[in-house]
Amino acid sequence: KAGVTQTPRYLIKTRGQQVTLSCSPISGHRSVSWYQQTPGQGLQFLFEYFSETQRNKGNFPGRFSGRQFSNSRSEMNVSTLELGDSALYLCASSLGSGGDTQYFGPGTRLTVL
Amino acid sequence: QKEVEQNSGPLSVPEGAIASLNCTYSDRGSQSFFWYRQYSGKSPELIMFIYSNGDKEDGRFTAQLNKASQYVSLLIRDSQPSDSATYLCAVNLSNTGNQFYFGTGTSLTVIP
Repeated sequence: KAGVTQTPRYLIKTRGQQVTLSCSPISGHRSVSWYQQTPGQGLQFLFEYFSETQRNKGNFPGRFSGRQFSNSRSEMNVSTLELGDSALYLCASSLGSGGDTQYFGPGTRLTVL
Repeated sequence: QKEVEQNSGPLSVPEGAIASLNCTYSDRGSQSFFWYRQYSGKSPELIMFIYSNGDKEDGRFTAQLNKASQYVSLLIRDSQPSDSATYLCAVNLSNTGNQFYFGTGTSLTVIP
């Protein structure tokens, strides 16, 4: 079974721009969660989508948004990029029953200049 | 206070020894607990999960959970150089779905 895939793997943007990241979960998985990983803050939860609905949300500003499609693929959007948004963005998928095992994708490395 | 706390290390153990990694969490309602391993430049990979108080063993790994003390630990027996990585403790804070909070990780080095 194929793992979680994320595209693109690397992105360079400038301040003020917006960016969209994509995540395709493992086949049969209905939950997709997004995380931001930085050296200083570690892995921080952004939000979780299940059945095309945001089911849980972390403590990030509204510039960070997401959506999920009927095939469970998910996108994350960051608007008005700031230098501090430079990070590794990871998505993780799970079956979706809640508290079940999450499997991570390889991540998208975003650099904001 | 952070939801999940770990000693950042670094922790060094000789090959063949037992490595002990610890984690505390703040939300008493947390139901599920996970240990992930992350190699440098890679994404986290699951080692174990535990839901009930007590010990859970899987090969060389044992997870221990004490909900009364809000404490989770991971023991790695017969440590190997390939175990050298950062170990992340994660706690699911949601009763409906996934809202995982991670510790900042403990860096483990196994010395040959």
